[in-house]
Amino acid sequence: RKEVEQDPGPFNVPEGATVAFNCTYSNSASQSFFWYRQDCRKEPKLLMSVYSSGNEDGRFTAQLNRASQYISLLIRDSKLSDSATYLCVVNNGVMVSNYQLIWGAGTKLIIKP
Amino acid sequence: NAGVTQTPKFRVLKTGQSMTLLCAQDMNHEYMYWYRQDPGMGLRLIHYSVGEGTTAKGEVPDGYNVSRLKKQNFLLGLESAAPSQTSVYFCASSEGRPRTDTQYFGPGTRLTVL
Repeated sequence: RKEVEQDPGPFNVPEGATVAFNCTYSNSASQSFFWYRQDCRKEPKLLMSVYSSGNEDGRFTAQLNRASQYISLLIRDSKLSDSATYLCVVNNGVMVSNYQLIWGAGTKLIIKP
Repeated sequence: NAGVTQTPKFRVLKTGQSMTLLCAQDMNHEYMYWYRQDPGMGLRLIHYSVGEGTTAKGEVPDGYNVSRLKKQNFLLGLESAAPSQTSVYFCASSEGRPRTDTQYFGPGTRLTVL
């Protein structure tokens, strides 16, 4: 089983729709969770951190479910510019030395006009 | 403020050749990282550094060496390139607060080994 699993998609969604993706992780000791966005042939960029209480940034909402070991990303009123690959990132459970991030392979989102 | 820069952007090598990828950051970050990204897989950590003069192995270190002689630079070396090292290489840096760190990435180097 992969440490961080995502549905690769692509998710084809009409502009203005709401879309959600989940990501599951295997290490119950993980403490840090993030969503990064990667445009085609570009570098990843942080979209948002995911906090235990859930957090929202404009049209984007992230949730963490520790009991079931998954995080989710919800995008409301999707825009053409939201088309990208969304990367789920989880730390390896080590907080001091040897801290490392484990990256999912990404979910591709295509917003259609 | 350039952020994180990488050179070169593209490179084609023959099996057995060597090369060095250069990463530079101007954000005074303590931590720097080298990743590779292959189709259908997540980013995989090759080596990282938590400060000038330090380096550590990541998930896939074999076939690579690194050096961090200056805080702002992190070099990745391939001593004898193999076709399995064909990939996109990303360098990243962060402040060094593991729980909340944002990693800032360079634009990547696309390496093909024939």
